[in-house]
Amino acid sequence: QSLLTQPPSVSGVAGQTVTISCSGTSSNLGAGYYVHWYQQLPGGGPKLLISGNTDRAAGVPDRFSGSKSGTSASLAISGLKADDEADYYCQSYDGSVRGWVLGGGTKVTVL
Amino acid sequence: EVQLVESGGALVQPGGSLRLSCAVSGFTFTAYATTWVRQAPGQGLEWVSAVSGSDGSTHYAESVQGRFTISRDTSTNTLHLQLNDLRVDDSAVYYCIRGADSSVWSYFEHWGQGTRVTVSS
Repeated sequence: QSLLTQPPSVSGVAGQTVTISCSGTSSNLGAGYYVHWYQQLPGGGPKLLISGNTDRAAGVPDRFSGSKSGTSASLAISGLKADDEADYYCQSYDGSVRGWVLGGGTKVTVL
Repeated sequence: EVQLVESGGALVQPGGSLRLSCAVSGFTFTAYATTWVRQAPGQGLEWVSAVSGSDGSTHYAESVQGRFTISRDTSTNTLHLQLNDLRVDDSAVYYCIRGADSSVWSYFEHWGQGTRVTVSS
């Protein structure tokens, strides 16, 4: 079982806002470690989306926003577009395993 | 432009060995951490190993500790991952990544396109 838990899938209609949760523990998010988010488009490799809880990577539109509180983090996508259909992964450092941990990924579908 | 180009993926039998390589360019190799992350077919991402940019210290996930070895050749700007005693569940696409700074605990800023390893008899 992953130390970071994400819902397997979320969906929304174009223009809507969807939110992806990332639930951690006291050894990762709860310990104050940053959360980072990655986007993996169908058939492609992952790319950095958000670092340091809230900082968008270069070229990432402001429709994407990140937040973190306690043992949980969230990625919100507003003004949902068909191009946003992808898998999204959260990542943090975990002090109990002394290494990186990643969530299981969330598939976003635009209805 | 930062570039990371992996190679070396192949079909190998259980118990076999393989060496993956990642040719990097567009940045000073020793100024940034470099990392391997893998993705099994239809599965999520799993951190495998990383090497610090500054002091070359290495770190491994428990699942590969003692079987995989990360190294870097600063003369050729190439990152390697030696995979020994391979198991069926090591089958995955292996991505080479450059971190945001020299620390192995910096986020994954740039990704390669991946190289596929298949372990099967």
